[in-house]
Amino acid sequence: GAGVSQSPSNKVTEKGKDVELRCDPISGHTALYWYRQSLGQGLEFLIYFQGNSAPDKSGLPSDRFSAERTGGSVSTLTIQRTQQEDSAVYLCASSFHGGQPQHFGDGTRLSIL
Amino acid sequence: ELKVEQNPLFLSMQEGKNYTIYCNYSTTSDRLYWYRQDPGKSLESLFVLLSNGAVKQEGRLMASLDTKARLSTLHITAAVHDLSATYFCAVVRNTGKLIFGQGTTLQVKP
Repeated sequence: GAGVSQSPSNKVTEKGKDVELRCDPISGHTALYWYRQSLGQGLEFLIYFQGNSAPDKSGLPSDRFSAERTGGSVSTLTIQRTQQEDSAVYLCASSFHGGQPQHFGDGTRLSIL
Repeated sequence: ELKVEQNPLFLSMQEGKNYTIYCNYSTTSDRLYWYRQDPGKSLESLFVLLSNGAVKQEGRLMASLDTKARLSTLHITAAVHDLSATYFCAVVRNTGKLIFGQGTTLQVKP
């Protein structure tokens, strides 16, 4: 596609459930980033993938959060045993290489009941 | 730890007026981005500033970077309602991850 694609666009789930969020980056982009946007914390970096290198996980808030990127393309962010404070918009971005301008998807709005 | 601070956080202004949004950051960085976000929408890239003294302009918006002062400004000239949005500055760190300011919500009134 022409841009970064994220799915689902909205997700409502009960506290304690696991959720998976998907990101399909722009074709040819080797760098992929996940960010979280919430009212209390603003825009926060979560994790970064660059090619086949080990991901930078320094922004993940707890061990309930994990992400993978298969085949250097699609990425999945998984949140286990969701808590209400996980409610936020999760944004994915990609760039040609790390440090290059990042293009953002429309995000997944996650609501934990 | 890198901190990015924007000022003001909220700005209400009349159409036709000029104003400046400030972005201060705490450690050195070689590039800075400005993004726009409309309510319920994602981030739209406005400017990439790559070096000290860099100035970029697009329509009524002009961004500048002073790396020595660790300061970037986003200047709005003769504001129009269509510019109402939230504006974020972001500094690149290490691997390319972005550290964002808190955002400045701009409201332009007719």
